[in-house]
Amino acid sequence: GENVEQHPSTLSVQEGDSAVIKCTYSDSASNYFPWYKQELGKGPQLIIDIRSNVGEKKDQRIAVTLNKTAKHFSLHITETQPEDSAVYFCAASKGGQLTFGSGTQLTVLP
Amino acid sequence: NAGVTQTPKFQVLKTGQSMTLQCAQDMNHEYMSWYRQDPGMGLRLIHYSVGAGITDQGEVPNGYNVSRSTTEDFPLRLLSAAPSQTSVYFCASSYSYRVGSYEQYFGPGTRLTVT
Repeated sequence: GENVEQHPSTLSVQEGDSAVIKCTYSDSASNYFPWYKQELGKGPQLIIDIRSNVGEKKDQRIAVTLNKTAKHFSLHITETQPEDSAVYFCAASKGGQLTFGSGTQLTVLP
Repeated sequence: NAGVTQTPKFQVLKTGQSMTLQCAQDMNHEYMSWYRQDPGMGLRLIHYSVGAGITDQGEVPNGYNVSRSTTEDFPLRLLSAAPSQTSVYFCASSYSYRVGSYEQYFGPGTRLTVT
């Protein structure tokens, strides 16, 4: 089955700096790659996603890049703010079922 | 819309007890699923359903049962609780499994402790 690895497990950045979280996947048939943000005590919430026919997607301060050849994808957050502090999960899917990475605890220091 | 709702929010069970975690969605979503979240392991799929009357196993199904008698509800049953089932459980739903609209909406979670 699919295996998704996510790095780093924790990340601290100064407010205003950029944050990058990286994931690799094993199944070349995977075609959908969402990123979820989970705040303390809440369920994960989709923040951005990308499909395999696209190399990059942006939404304001958030961007995701996909390299199908290398089977890795990354989340980029620019101009980080304290409210960006949360756990971020990547996931991969080839048909509805999601396989999640282990999560990254992002802390934005004021 | 209330989205995806889960009850209870917290539950403590003794080893061997059974219970049902409730999940409901009011978005007429076809696909529903249950995950468990353990520290350092992300979310792992327990069971899922692609429509009323249809369920299937995920990555970690042992010790859990599900049924889907209506589009709205997807309860998760623990048959005989074990300490290894201490976890946070999330229910999620998606408009469709088939047509490529894969965004899943998650409920707020149920924190279960088995002593």
